[in-house]
Amino acid sequence: EIVLTQSPDFQSVTPKEKVTITCRASQSIGSSLHWYQQKPDQSPKLLIKYASQSFSGVPSRFSGSGSGTDFTLTINSLEAEDAATYYCHQSSSYSLTFGGGTKVEIK
Amino acid sequence: QLQLQESGPGLVKPSETLSLTCTVSGGSISSSSYYWGWIRQPPGKGLEWIGSIYYSGSTYYNPSLKSRVTISVDTSKNQFSLKLSSVTAADTAVYYCASPSTYGDDAFDIWGQGTMVTVSS
Repeated sequence: EIVLTQSPDFQSVTPKEKVTITCRASQSIGSSLHWYQQKPDQSPKLLIKYASQSFSGVPSRFSGSGSGTDFTLTINSLEAEDAATYYCHQSSSYSLTFGGGTKVEIK
Repeated sequence: QLQLQESGPGLVKPSETLSLTCTVSGGSISSSSYYWGWIRQPPGKGLEWIGSIYYSGSTYYNPSLKSRVTISVDTSKNQFSLKLSSVTAADTAVYYCASPSTYGDDAFDIWGQGTMVTVSS
């Protein structure tokens, strides 16, 4: 099983600040890494697919990078509406896995 | 546009079988997506993949749940379903069905609203 380790677990950020969330895979997964945003009592929403491809309708302040085992989700100029928990997800193996999540709080 | 909707009992007794259905609308389950998945989220915790069923009929399950999980498709009803046997309180969670909307894609861009299932006597 491919383990995804996200860091940090929690981040408290002021508006307009830049946020960086990392996701490390226990083995190389190429670019088969996707990022989701989940707000309380809502279903997850896809932000980035295949490490760096922005999903349709996602604000341009969200971007993704990385390949192999190390990946990053960046939120440029954080807005209040970005308060949420962010998850990475790998599809390199038929046995899918999710990272543990990173909660982003607005100061 | 593809939409998914989970349905099933909100309360299941310990040791019994949890059964949920995901109804696909806006497209045919036979051709709209490469694969269909079930994911769950215990209260206050993260997302856990349960299993997936592919267009070919192949199924893949979370190793930690494999002995208790069955996922199947009913093309006549445009639905896919989840059965989880011998449930315990640890199976209490919001259960989501999800799918990529683009055939061949792997990322889940379509999610159901989720259904809360509580395991309790």
